[in-house]
Amino acid sequence: AQSVTQPDIHITVSEGASLELRCNYSYGATPYLFWYVQSPGQGLQLLLKYFSGDTLVQGIKGFEAEFKRSQSSFNLRKPSVHWSDAAEYFCAVGARGATNKLIFGTGTLLAVQP
Amino acid sequence: EAQVTQNPRYLITVTGKKLTVTCSQNMNHEYMSWYRQDPGLGLRQIYYSMNVEVTDKGDVPEGYKVSRKEKRNFPLILESPSPNQTSLYFCASSVTTGGLNEKLFFGSGTQLSVL
Repeated sequence: AQSVTQPDIHITVSEGASLELRCNYSYGATPYLFWYVQSPGQGLQLLLKYFSGDTLVQGIKGFEAEFKRSQSSFNLRKPSVHWSDAAEYFCAVGARGATNKLIFGTGTLLAVQP
Repeated sequence: EAQVTQNPRYLITVTGKKLTVTCSQNMNHEYMSWYRQDPGLGLRQIYYSMNVEVTDKGDVPEGYKVSRKEKRNFPLILESPSPNQTSLYFCASSVTTGGLNEKLFFGSGTQLSVL
């Protein structure tokens, strides 16, 4: 069965600084990988996804993520953080042939300092 | 506007009193799902539906029921709520292409408190 780990519960960065949120997965083959963002009081919104092909994927709001098979990772990055990026970020993994069973990580809460 | 609508946003109830949380989507999505979100546990899937009259258990289905009589609606039913069902609940629907759920659209959530 697949699983996903987000080792950082809470991260604080300064506005304008770069950001990297970690995500590690466990799955026997290449999974489908997603990053979702949850703003306060809102539902989750898809930032980006990886299914196959280029291992560096671009998403909305200037985010990108890189799939590294050797490290079983799918870390989310942004070169310059804006105050509006403060939110909770969830990594999710889906098994090929069964994406109806998405498994979410426990989330990383991002705070942005002025 | 494409959206998933959940009602109510907030609900306080007492142990044992049956309740229903409604979910409706206007995107003609085949796939719909319910999640609960608890601190430190992330989102866990309760039930999902691949199409009308087709539902299946997720990871934490105990104490919940669902139905899918129409494509747009997917209500979550708690027949006899208990305090351990106090949680934030999300409904989601998805585009499905070749059996692949490409993108989940989430409702704004229902905060349920069971006293």
